[in-house]
Amino acid sequence: SQTIHQWPATLVQPVGSPLSLECTVEGTSNPNLYWYRQAAGRGLQLLFYSVGIGQISSEVPQNLSASRPQDRQFILSSKKLLLSDSGFYLCAWRASGNTIYFGEGSWLTVV
Amino acid sequence: AQSVTQPDIHITVSEGASLELRCNYSYGATPYLFWYVQSPGQGLQLLLKYFSGDTLVQGIKGFEAEFKRSQSSFNLRKPSVHWSDAAEYFCAVGAPGDYKLSFGAGTTVTVRA
Repeated sequence: SQTIHQWPATLVQPVGSPLSLECTVEGTSNPNLYWYRQAAGRGLQLLFYSVGIGQISSEVPQNLSASRPQDRQFILSSKKLLLSDSGFYLCAWRASGNTIYFGEGSWLTVV
Repeated sequence: AQSVTQPDIHITVSEGASLELRCNYSYGATPYLFWYVQSPGQGLQLLLKYFSGDTLVQGIKGFEAEFKRSQSSFNLRKPSVHWSDAAEYFCAVGAPGDYKLSFGAGTTVTVRA
């Protein structure tokens, strides 16, 4: 069966520091992968999606970037964090029929 | 492009009572429809999905949803809620062949004893 993992689960970073959140999917090949963000009290915002290695689409302009160095690995990064980057970040992958499955999430607090 | 509206931001229900969460979508054809649940501090878990066929869909944890094309709705129901059903619920819509889902803003459910 397919599983998705992301880490770290919780992160507290100072303003201006870099960020790296990692996500891996097991049990499937060439999945569509996604990064979403939930700010406090708000819904889900799609940040990036990827249909293959090295193929990244950005949904909104922002301080973040994404990379897909391997088929089942998806990384969310920032060179310099802003306070507004705080939130709950969710990695997800797409199965057949547009069904999207989510990871456990990563809490980022920028201080 | 498709979109989703969840009219209720917050619903409070007594344990053992029935629950209905509303979801309205906008899409020209028959969409793919989903309900997810999110417990505090956790990721989203898929409750159920509708692609085609029988308009009444059964999901996990005793939930069901009904697709009504004439009303562009996909409401989620549970006959008797448990305290563990307290969570946030998201409705989502996707178009066949599209990579993305559009999510509603979510409905928070509080269960009182």
